[in-house]
Amino acid sequence: DVVLTQSPLSLPVTLGQPASISCRSSQNLVYSDGNTYLNWFQQRPGQSPRRLIYKVSDRDSGVPDRFSGSGSGTYFTLRISRVEAEDVGIYYCMQGTHWPLTFGGGTKVEIK
Amino acid sequence: QVHLVESGGGVVQPGRSLRLSCATSGFTFNNFGMHWVRQVPGKGPEWLAVIWYNGRNQQYADSVASRFTISRDNSKNTLYLEMASLRAEDTAVYFCVRDARPEVYAANFDYWGQGTLVTVSS
Repeated sequence: DVVLTQSPLSLPVTLGQPASISCRSSQNLVYSDGNTYLNWFQQRPGQSPRRLIYKVSDRDSGVPDRFSGSGSGTYFTLRISRVEAEDVGIYYCMQGTHWPLTFGGGTKVEIK
Repeated sequence: QVHLVESGGGVVQPGRSLRLSCATSGFTFNNFGMHWVRQVPGKGPEWLAVIWYNGRNQQYADSVASRFTISRDNSKNTLYLEMASLRAEDTAVYFCVRDARPEVYAANFDYWGQGTLVTVSS
């Protein structure tokens, strides 16, 4: 199975400051169609996950442009340019290239 | 607006069976693949199963392959998960999740339901 390793586990951030989360895959996530099926999800306390980013860097409709995704192959990053209070929650990367589908362990973003 | 509403969760004894349902609306159900994902409170999500738009292809995680069955009724816009021989470690919130495409060669989750809690306990 593909192992996704996220870091850090916990990310205390000052409001208005940037934040960055990394996701490292044990296998290359490029699929045979040329796409890389690496998604990022946000899970606020008490809510179900919400997709923010799909195929590495495509931002979902309604997601603030302070969220961005980058990376290739086995290393990926989610960036928040200026953290706001509503960004508190746990962020997960997830790969859809290889079966079984797998998730990273999560990064908890909190406000300092 | 896409809506996915799970139901059927509850407390069940070890070894018993349970069927979860996911009622959908706001999109053409038979145009999309669907998944079940579970999450133990305080832990990360775990993918369980996928079914293609027409119900002809399914795939499972090893942890549930011999005990769980995913199915769909496109006439009712509803997804199901039949769970048998339940164990304490199956205790979790169960989510139905839509895939962005009908044939799920590679997965691309988009919408999640709110989840239904299954507790396996004597």
